[in-house]
Amino acid sequence: GIQVEQSPPDLILQEGANSTLRCNFSDSVNNLQWFHQNPWGQLINLFYIPSGTKQNGRLSATTVATERYSLLYISSSQTTDSGVYFCAVLIQGGSEKLVFGKGTKLTVNP
Amino acid sequence: KAGVTQTPRYLIKTRGQQVTLSCSPISGHRSVSWYQQTPGQGLQFLFEYFSETQRNKGNFPGRFSGRQFSNSRSEMNVSTLELGDSALYLCASSLALAGELFFGEGSRLTVL
Repeated sequence: GIQVEQSPPDLILQEGANSTLRCNFSDSVNNLQWFHQNPWGQLINLFYIPSGTKQNGRLSATTVATERYSLLYISSSQTTDSGVYFCAVLIQGGSEKLVFGKGTKLTVNP
Repeated sequence: KAGVTQTPRYLIKTRGQQVTLSCSPISGHRSVSWYQQTPGQGLQFLFEYFSETQRNKGNFPGRFSGRQFSNSRSEMNVSTLELGDSALYLCASSLALAGELFFGEGSRLTVL
């Protein structure tokens, strides 16, 4: 089946720093989503981005479908950005299920 | 517009019991899918329903089952609970197949 790899697995930053999270996937996908899991476990939608670039405040994402990767940029990080970030892909021509990466655990220190 | 609602939020069961979890999708969404999250296995797909029909099922034993009602609300059931079933169970809804998924807050199950 499709493989989804996220890097780095762990990231520690000082408040105000910028960061880039990466998601590689092994097959063609119908869609790609980035989520932030809050401390209570809920997955919060960040981006629905099968291709192209989107921005939302301090966050932006780029997916290059032909090269099978996506990047999530966090600028001017804040302590509230801490948590686990997941990339998930919906495989093309197959079952309608999201396949998740293992996540990047981000810790932003004050 | 209300989000995806899952009940109960927390529950404790003992081995051998069964449990039923409920999910109400966003109004107008007809696709509902379920995921299990554990520290060891991460987030794994359980099953997906659209218009009361199960379209896909993940690689879980037959003890895991689900259904969807005509109002798109969904339930999942786990019978003969095992310690390894302790997990966060997440439900997601989407407007259409292969569309953007929105998740509920989850139901955290502990099996003793």
